[in-house]
Amino acid sequence: RKEVEQDPGPFNVPEGATVAFNCTYSNSASQSFFWYRQDCRKEPKLLMSVYSSGNEDGRFTAQLNRASQYISLLIRDSKLSDSATYLCVGRYLTGTASKLTFGTGTRLQVTL
Amino acid sequence: NAGVTQTPKFRVLKTGQSMTLLCAQDMNHEYMYWYRQDPGMGLRLIHYSVGEGTTAKGEVPDGYNVSRLKKQNFLLGLESAAPSQTSVYFCASSFYGANVLTFGAGSRLTVL
Repeated sequence: RKEVEQDPGPFNVPEGATVAFNCTYSNSASQSFFWYRQDCRKEPKLLMSVYSSGNEDGRFTAQLNRASQYISLLIRDSKLSDSATYLCVGRYLTGTASKLTFGTGTRLQVTL
Repeated sequence: NAGVTQTPKFRVLKTGQSMTLLCAQDMNHEYMYWYRQDPGMGLRLIHYSVGEGTTAKGEVPDGYNVSRLKKQNFLLGLESAAPSQTSVYFCASSFYGANVLTFGAGSRLTVL
């Protein structure tokens, strides 16, 4: 089982819609999580960190559910420019070091 | 600031040839990483460095070597390229280990 799993999509939504992605993780010792955005043929860029209490940044809301071991990303009022692949990333402590594990990404396509 | 710069952006190699990918960052980050990204696999860590003069193996180190002679530079070498090394390679850096990463624009390598 992959440490971090995502539905690859694509999620096709009309402009203005609300869309949510989930990401499940298998390692209960995870420390923290992040969402990265990756445009086609570009590098990943940090979208937001995910805090235990949930956090919001404009139209984006990230939540962490440790009991069910998943994190979510909610995008409200989708824009055409939100079309991208969204990568879920978990940070885990292994021995004395930490490591990051990337999901394979969920593709979002926002249409007119 | 340029952030993280990778060269070259594209390269085609024949099986058995060698090459070096260069990564340079101007953010005074201690940690630097090389990832490869393949369809359906997510980003996988090849090698990383926790400071000048140090390197360590990641998940998929075989067939690659790295060097960090200067804090700002992290080189990834392929001694004898194989078709399985056809991929998009991303360099990244961070101030703290296994935390928020800043990625370079990527290097697309094809091995024939």
